[in-house]
Amino acid sequence: RKEVEQDPGPFNVPEGATVAFNCTYSNSASQSFFWYRQDCRKEPKLLMSVYSSGNEDGRFTAQLNRASQYISLLIRDSKLSDSATYLCVVNLDSSYKLIFGSGTRLLVRP
Amino acid sequence: EAGVAQSPRYKIIEKRQSVAFWCNPISGHATLYWYQQILGQGPKLLIQFQNNGVVDDSQLPKDRFSAERLKGVDSTLKIQPAKLEDSAVYLCASSYGLRAGGRRYNEQFFGPGTRLTVL
Repeated sequence: RKEVEQDPGPFNVPEGATVAFNCTYSNSASQSFFWYRQDCRKEPKLLMSVYSSGNEDGRFTAQLNRASQYISLLIRDSKLSDSATYLCVVNLDSSYKLIFGSGTRLLVRP
Repeated sequence: EAGVAQSPRYKIIEKRQSVAFWCNPISGHATLYWYQQILGQGPKLLIQFQNNGVVDDSQLPKDRFSAERLKGVDSTLKIQPAKLEDSAVYLCASSYGLRAGGRRYNEQFFGPGTRLTVL
C-alpha cells in the first residue's frame, strides 16, 4: 500500500465549478499535512497547510480527518489558472521528511 | 529573495555514464533536500542534509548515487553509473531548518529541477 494515495484524475471541470480532491495516508503517526501545487514542467510549491480544525485560504478549503486518515482539498469558483497537479503531502516526524502522493491533475476549461 | 538554483536544467546521457547535479539553496537555509520525481509520480526524497551532515539517506541507492554538502551551503548529487530507470527530474529543496520551530519555518522551497534522460 502506498504511504499517500490520491486519485490521479484528471478532473476536467468548467470555469466556476467547485471541485474536491481526496487523499488518504497510511501512517497514523503522521504529524502534519500539506497540499502542494505543481504546474506542468515546474517545481512543486506549497499551496496550504492542513490543520485538524480545517482551514480556508480564499477559494481553497482544506480538511483533515485523523480518525479516517483522510485529507481533502476543495476549490470553489475554479479559474483557468487553477489547472495544475495537486500533491497531497504528509510529514512523518520531527525531521520534516515529506512524503508526497502522486498527485491529482486538474484541468479547468473555459 | 533569490530562490533555489539548480544546474544543469537538462541532461541527456547514455546508460553507464556518470552525471552530476548542482544545487545552491536559499541563503540562510540550513536544511537541503534532494528529490527524484519520475514522470507521473510525486517527488521521492533521496537525501536530506542539515548543514553539512546527513539526516536521512535511507532511500538513496548508495551503490550508484552519492551526494555531498561539504561547506553546508551548495550540494552536488552524482549518479555513477546511470541506468535507464534513473530518467527523472531531480529536484533540490531547502528550508530554514529543523530547529527553527513551527511549521512555517520548515516550509520547503524547491528549485526548478534537472531533467535527466538516460538513453
